Amino acid sequence: DADVTQTPRNRITKTGKRIMLECSQTKGHDRMYWYRQDPGLGLRLIYYSFDVKDINKGEISDGYSVSRQAQAKFSLSLESAIPNQTALYFCATSGLTGTSGRGAYNEQFFGPGTRLTVL
Amino acid sequence: DQQVKQNSPSLSVQEGRISILNCDYTNSMFDYFLWYKKYPAEGPTFLISISSIKDKNEDGRFTVFLNKSAKHLSLHIVPSQPGDSAVYFCAASEGSSNTGKLIFGQGTTLQVKP
Repeated sequence: DADVTQTPRNRITKTGKRIMLECSQTKGHDRMYWYRQDPGLGLRLIYYSFDVKDINKGEISDGYSVSRQAQAKFSLSLESAIPNQTALYFCATSGLTGTSGRGAYNEQFFGPGTRLTVL
Repeated sequence: DQQVKQNSPSLSVQEGRISILNCDYTNSMFDYFLWYKKYPAEGPTFLISISSIKDKNEDGRFTVFLNKSAKHLSLHIVPSQPGDSAVYFCAASEGSSNTGKLIFGQGTTLQVKP
């Protein structure tokens, strides 16, 4: 079974609709992240969470919100979707489990992605 | 303003030869660098990393070189194999906080021809 799962894998929606993307992990990591990937722009950080009560904005948080329901679950919401939010969305996790030393939190484990199309 | 840049969108090499993927950065506060590999329909996977206190890190066929004065890093794959065909992202992290906040480059698509 995959360590980091995302649902749905694909979603087509209309402008103005509310959308929620969900992420679950079984790695026991404390930190979780949401990124979006656009052609020619690489991955950009939307939000990140150090633990259930610590949520932080990333580079491009406008138009998005998140909820950390439990250590293992981190969801991303688009309150009113717009076409330029069409992108590939990735959830990632990181933690000190099984690793030690510097850089452990930078070595992130990604889910398979959600392809979102806003018409 | 792109702080991490991969100026080559694509690279094609012959199986068995060396692949060299390049990455430049502008923020002198970056002190930890990583390479991720991504296959179609999958999420990126961590490949190799390097701290700014080193200039080289090797893991099997993969070696990352860091030139701090030039703000440049490169990933060498020797020998290249068809299974290495993927998109490669370099990423950088700022400061010693180990927060996991990564800045990614645009990615380079590597094609290794049999």
